[in-house]
Amino acid sequence: ETGVTQTPRHLVMGMTNKKSLKCEQHLGHNAMYWYKQSAKKPLELMFVYNFKEQTENNSVPSRFSPECPNSSHLFLHLHTLQPEDSALYLCASSQGSGQQETQYFGPGTRLLVL
Amino acid sequence: GDSVTQMEGPVTLSEEAFLTINCTYTATGYPSLFWYVQYPGEGLQLLLKATKADDKGSNKGFEATYRKETTSFHLEKGSVQVSDSAVYFCALSDNNNDMRFGAGTRLTVKP
Repeated sequence: ETGVTQTPRHLVMGMTNKKSLKCEQHLGHNAMYWYKQSAKKPLELMFVYNFKEQTENNSVPSRFSPECPNSSHLFLHLHTLQPEDSALYLCASSQGSGQQETQYFGPGTRLLVL
Repeated sequence: GDSVTQMEGPVTLSEEAFLTINCTYTATGYPSLFWYVQYPGEGLQLLLKATKADDKGSNKGFEATYRKETTSFHLEKGSVQVSDSAVYFCALSDNNNDMRFGAGTRLTVKP
C-alpha cells in the first residue's frame, strides 16, 4: 500500500464531457503532483502544489484544471479533452519540496478520450 | 534544461542473470538521483536514491552509484528474479524540485 490513492482507476470519456480525477494521500505530506504518462514517452510533470499553493504549471493546456482544497486532496478537472490526452495520469506526494525528497505515487487513472 | 537518458528496452534476461540498466544525466547543478520501479497496474515506487557524488543507493539487491565524473547512475543487480520484471525509471531532481524522468526500461525475467 503506497498511501496514495486515486479514483477512478479507469475512465472513458467523450471530447465534450467534463470529469474529475481525485487523488488522496494518507502520508501527512505537504506537496502533491500530477504527472501524465504516455506510451513511449517520459513522465511529464503537469502541476505541483506545495502547502495547497500551486507552485508549478508546466505549460499545461487549460482544458486541464487542478484543484487542491487541502494538503491531503488533489483533483484534476477535465473539460473538452482531445484523443491525444489519453494516458495514465499519476498523482504523487512528498513530505516537502526539496530536491532530496522522495515522491510517493498512486496507482494512476487510465484515461481514454474518444 | 536538465534531462535523463536511460537505456532503451525492452531487456529480457534469464533468472539469476546479471542486470545493468544504464542511465546518464545532464544537469547544471548537483541533482539528486533516483531509480523508480513500476510493476504492472501500479504506480511508481522508489527503488533507491543518491543525493551526492559517490553515494551508493541500494535496495532489494539493486545498487546504483552517483558518478559525477561520468554523469551516470547505472542500475545493477547481481542475480535477477522473475519478480523483478517491471519498468525501471531513472530520474533526477534539481534545486527547483523539478523531477525529470527517463523514458523507462522494461525488464522481463524468464524462469
